[in-house]
Amino acid sequence: EAQVTQNPRYLITVTGKKLTVTCSQNMNHEYMSWYRQDPGLGLRQIYYSMNVEVTDKGDVPEGYKVSRKEKRNFPLILESPSPNQTSLYFCASSPGQGFSGANVLTFGAGSRLTVL
Amino acid sequence: RKEVEQDPGPFNVPEGATVAFNCTYSNSASQSFFWYRQDCRKEPKLLMSVYSSGNEDGRFTAQLNRASQYISLLIRDSKLSDSATYLCVVTLGDTGTASKLTFGTGTRLQVTL
Repeated sequence: EAQVTQNPRYLITVTGKKLTVTCSQNMNHEYMSWYRQDPGLGLRQIYYSMNVEVTDKGDVPEGYKVSRKEKRNFPLILESPSPNQTSLYFCASSPGQGFSGANVLTFGAGSRLTVL
Repeated sequence: RKEVEQDPGPFNVPEGATVAFNCTYSNSASQSFFWYRQDCRKEPKLLMSVYSSGNEDGRFTAQLNRASQYISLLIRDSKLSDSATYLCVVTLGDTGTASKLTFGTGTRLQVTL
């Protein structure tokens, strides 16, 4: 089944404890992206990657890191999490860089992170 | 002004009703437009793309008005299962390059018996 898989789905952690949220897609997609979703703010892009070893900042990259060493994986790293990073996180992928009717985002199921 | 704006709702409608949502965007250079559906605490899923000529998919009709910079979604004969949040999504990049999607905050629809 074609899908984007995120882990963990739920995590409660404490301030300053490094964590990684993994994201993997099995569709050979070039484009991958991370979003966070907060009430009243909608989905905001954190980082995106157009291909292996190519990453770029989105709208809210502060406090996050990413890497794209393989096409299928795009982990999100929080080096020193803080309470304002408590959010619902989505990974997404798309076949290519441009977006059109046939080239749309597929989302993972989401990872709910709480930082105490 | 927000790049993409939606009425958050909720829109409470009885089953069988017709309901319409609008979404306005501020950048006249926007290229592509989509409606995504998001069920509570789940991932967004593509509902339909919005084409310049308008398009229909069963009970759902999407339209684009470039002059007034808005897109619309019309749902006919609403079902209980249509209850969800509908996200308006706009690309703000140039065609052929890495486009960036901007999401609206969503309009919540609640269909009741």
